[in-house]
Amino acid sequence: GAGVSQTPSNKVTEKGKYVELRCDPISGHTALYWYRQSLGQGPEFLIYFQGTGAADDSGLPNDRFFAVRPEGSVSTLKIQRTERGDSAVYLCASSLGLGGTDTQYFGPGTRLTVL
Amino acid sequence: AQSVAQPEDQVNVAEGNPLTVKCTYSVSGNPYLFWYVQYPNRGLQFLLKYITGDNLVKGSYGFEAEFNKSQTSFHLKKPSALVSDSALYFCAVRDIGTGGFKTIFGAGTRLFVKA
Repeated sequence: GAGVSQTPSNKVTEKGKYVELRCDPISGHTALYWYRQSLGQGPEFLIYFQGTGAADDSGLPNDRFFAVRPEGSVSTLKIQRTERGDSAVYLCASSLGLGGTDTQYFGPGTRLTVL
Repeated sequence: AQSVAQPEDQVNVAEGNPLTVKCTYSVSGNPYLFWYVQYPNRGLQFLLKYITGDNLVKGSYGFEAEFNKSQTSFHLKKPSALVSDSALYFCAVRDIGTGGFKTIFGAGTRLFVKA
């Protein structure tokens, strides 16, 4: 079946602009995660959704970052007033949502470049 | 707080030789442990996980990992390396005590298998 998809694959924007990154999880997966991966680093946890609600948003770096999942499927990560330091690959993953034993399945990522 | 350490930035091994990629972790409670692999321009792929039970876990592509609670380690192993195993490997941990969904990744270890 279809895996996790993310759009766009690449996004180039200017400092101060607003961007939206989209994630389509695997059908039937109730848990959805966003991570940020900087060059040479492992994925850094940002936020986790169980259904429509953000169950853990402790990884969001500041209030410029916000994520929604209004219908419990597709999720959008929103970044306001982008800064050059926001440049990274943003990864989305989904899982069945049964608990901590879940295996997360990752999308290909969106590469964000802030000029 | 949870943390993961992958002490080697790169591991070099000759094809046909056994390989080990090291991982140590720190959690306040009991851990769930995972290994993922990342090929160039592709998303992270799940290899294996330790939840409970047998300390030796077998996963995809002939990889296995050994959970050692006293040493807080979860090293990835393969008896005979292939050139196609060359990739970036990430160890990850979830703390059962915190509810188990937030996943912390290590910085990654690049495996290079020489023909």
